[in-house]
Amino acid sequence: DTAVSQTPKYLVTQMGNDKSIKCEQNLGHDTMYWYKQDSKKFLKIMFSYNNKELIINETVPNRFSPKSPDKAHLNLHINSLELGDSAVYFCASSHWDRLNTEAFFGQGTRLTVV
Amino acid sequence: GNSVTQMEGPVTLSEEAFLTINCTYTATGYPSLFWYVQYPGEGLQLLLKATKADDKGSNKGFEATYRKETTSFHLEKGSVQVSDSAVYFCALGANAGGTSYGKLTFGQGTILTVHP
Repeated sequence: DTAVSQTPKYLVTQMGNDKSIKCEQNLGHDTMYWYKQDSKKFLKIMFSYNNKELIINETVPNRFSPKSPDKAHLNLHINSLELGDSAVYFCASSHWDRLNTEAFFGQGTRLTVV
Repeated sequence: GNSVTQMEGPVTLSEEAFLTINCTYTATGYPSLFWYVQYPGEGLQLLLKATKADDKGSNKGFEATYRKETTSFHLEKGSVQVSDSAVYFCALGANAGGTSYGKLTFGQGTILTVHP
């Protein structure tokens, strides 16, 4: 059983298009995240949701809109895609726990904008 | 704000060599510290963690000790294998309350290649 699953794994699209990436976790966690990994492997948080409520929004362009229909899902919709959006996007989840912020990551979605 | 600095890579070693990847951090409060590993084409997996000062995290022969006095969490392994070739990330988890809670701040990653 995959703990954190993302779809699609690869996404190639043209500039200006709108696309979505889906994420689901079956770990019973109450907090989910989106991270972006650039071409140099650097990872940076984009958003986090706790119990479907937005907690962290790290100065991400408003073309990116996360949506959390329930605690087990956090989808990422991107409007008007730009070349600079090409990256690997990782979904993650964790418990909202003061002593342990260990996160479990999905396999990533490699987005290529052409 | 919080930050993590890892030693520059890439690191290339022969099998059975000793590995150290340095990691230092800047943080307020009492963060948790993690090492994650990313194998080629895969997502991140937690390698080990430490939640308070002087804790030692260990897994698969890797170790790291949470040193508050030097704000460090260096990763070590006594004898690396070819299968350890991957990207290693040091990360800091914000334990304090507030809007950064749950957020992981990552170092820049260190590419490790182990040759037979």
